[in-house]
Amino acid sequence: GAVVSQHPSWVICKSGTSVKIECRSLDFQATTMFWYRQFPKQSLMLMATSNEGSKATYEQGVEKDKFLINHASLTLSTLTVTSAHPEDSSFYICSVMSRTGITDTQYFGPGTRLTVL
Amino acid sequence: AQTVTQSQPEMSVQEAETVTLSCTYDTSENNYYLFWYKQPPSRQMILVIRQEAYKQQNATENRFSVNFQKAAKSFSLKISDSQLGDTAMYFCAFIVAQGAQKLVFGQGTRLTINP
Repeated sequence: GAVVSQHPSWVICKSGTSVKIECRSLDFQATTMFWYRQFPKQSLMLMATSNEGSKATYEQGVEKDKFLINHASLTLSTLTVTSAHPEDSSFYICSVMSRTGITDTQYFGPGTRLTVL
Repeated sequence: AQTVTQSQPEMSVQEAETVTLSCTYDTSENNYYLFWYKQPPSRQMILVIRQEAYKQQNATENRFSVNFQKAAKSFSLKISDSQLGDTAMYFCAFIVAQGAQKLVFGQGTRLTINP
């Protein structure tokens, strides 16, 4: 399976500031990455699909101007939470799609815990 | 739209017992993949097992096996000889083959293995 890293693993910021989260595919080139948000004791909610070299595709209800996604290379996608507020506090997880044989499988990063004060 | 339903919010068994987690899904597609992911307290999502819908044979990975019933749209996970390290949230997930590549997750089942 693919190996995915995220940085930072946790971050605390003040309300109104911006925070950047990096997602790296360490062992293969990922044309597509995904960003999820997870609230405590809940399932993962897809925020957006990050496509290398093009604009991200956002899910309904996700503010694209607030959650900026940049897929600058085949190994790096970044999520920037702009003008963060306490309600943006959450666990953010990225994943990459890897084709194993003919099966498309998503492999996940370790997640980033964001706390906005 | 595809949906995935896990009807057991929580389960608890003794170490070494066998436990089965339920999952049903709804889709009009014929070609798709199903997955079980595990999320331990570290919150790292780990792939447990996957099944291609066109395969009749149930997937098996060591102590983990599935019971895939395509007609019933059921995809249960059996964990044999459960271990303390199996304690985690388990998510059933679905993806359409060659589609938008979006994973659809169930609500999750919190499994606790007791010593």
